Amino acid sequence: EVQLVESGGDLVQPGGSLRVSCAASGFTFSNSWMHWVRQGPAQGPAWVSRINGDGSVTNYADSVRGRFTISRDNAKNTLYLQMNDLRAEDTAVYYCTTWGVSGTGSHVWGQGTQVTVSS
Amino acid sequence: DVVMTQSPESLGVSLGARATINCQSSQTLLYSSNNKNCIAWYQQKPGQPPRLLIYWAFTREAGVPDRFSGGGSGTDFTLTISSLQAEDVAVYYCQQYCTTWWTFGQGTKVEIK
Repeated sequence: EVQLVESGGDLVQPGGSLRVSCAASGFTFSNSWMHWVRQGPAQGPAWVSRINGDGSVTNYADSVRGRFTISRDNAKNTLYLQMNDLRAEDTAVYYCTTWGVSGTGSHVWGQGTQVTVSS
Repeated sequence: DVVMTQSPESLGVSLGARATINCQSSQTLLYSSNNKNCIAWYQQKPGQPPRLLIYWAFTREAGVPDRFSGGGSGTDFTLTISSLQAEDVAVYYCQQYCTTWWTFGQGTKVEIK
């Protein structure tokens, strides 16, 4: 079974840093593009970042470029999002997601991890 | 960025009646490998992650009731619930995943009238 499990969400002060993780199982992680999507309070989902299978290509939304860094450890089947200089507007549930890993084109999402930026 | 314009914002439908949600993309979205529209539809209930209903604009995800169907072409797409059930009360989102920056519609809240 394809599964994604996020962890690491926390309450952080403005200007602080946090790293969230996503443990993947049930598919060939090292072959798969992985994405982070976030959803703020009473808002729709918003794409944050993506990384290719070997970690050599990364892309970011304008709102987080220069502050967030996506990375992966294929030996551990784990995706990361390092978040620096956090702002109140970064408060959201952060989901990791991928698609096409089962050969059908279906999408898989984790349950999400809550990041709250507040003093 | 590709803009996904979803309508209506909210929808009140009687139990057993049809519900139709519209999504318009600002450009045509075709995946080069299979020439399919990279449009997905999600259902989200409070406190839960989005649940995939439809991908490739038409393909129903495994386990999704057949009262849910996706349609459309070009830049105009629809999600139809053929006979609304009480458990279908939720917010529904369309998504395009063709481009680097995925984008989502604003959401449609479906309620029982």
